[in-house]
Amino acid sequence: GAGVSQSPSNKVTEKGKDVELRCDPISGHTALYWYRQSLGQGLEFLIYFQGNSAPDKSGLPSDRFSAERTGGSVSTLTIQRTQQEDSAVYLCASSFRLAGNNEQFFGPGTRLTVL
Amino acid sequence: AQSVTQPDIHITVSEGASLELRCNYSYGATPYLFWYVQSPGQGLQLLLKYFSGDTLVQGIKGFEAEFKRSQSSFNLRKPSVHWSDAAEYFCAVGALYNNNDMRFGAGTRLTVKP
Repeated sequence: GAGVSQSPSNKVTEKGKDVELRCDPISGHTALYWYRQSLGQGLEFLIYFQGNSAPDKSGLPSDRFSAERTGGSVSTLTIQRTQQEDSAVYLCASSFRLAGNNEQFFGPGTRLTVL
Repeated sequence: AQSVTQPDIHITVSEGASLELRCNYSYGATPYLFWYVQSPGQGLQLLLKYFSGDTLVQGIKGFEAEFKRSQSSFNLRKPSVHWSDAAEYFCAVGALYNNNDMRFGAGTRLTVKP
């Protein structure tokens, strides 16, 4: 079946603009995660969604970052008033459920460049 | 909360040589441990995972890893590296009862010399 997909694959924007990144998880996966991968860094957890529960937003770096998940499926990560330090690869992952032993399946990422 | 350390940022090995990538974790209970590989421009792919039982786990692409509780380690090994193994490798630790259930290491970049 189809894996996790993300769009766009690349996004170049000007400082101060808003951007939206999209993630389509694997069908039937109830948990969805967003990570940020900066150059030379590991994966930085941003936010996760589990079913209809309130999302865990503890990893969002500032109030310019927000995410939503509509209908328990597609998720959108929004970055407002982008800054150059927001440049990174944003990875989305999904898993069958939220538990430490559930494999996360990753999308190819969106590479965001803020000029 | 759990945490992961990958001490080696970059490793270079010759094709055909053996490989060991180090991973140390911190967690108060039995962890769930994973190794992922990320090829250039790709997402992360699971190589192998450890939940319980046999401490030596086999994964895809000829990789294996050994869980050593006494050393809080989960090192990844391959007896003979292929040029196609050049990639970034991430160790991760999960915890069943932690809602933020996965922590990743900073990664180790593997270069394979011909």
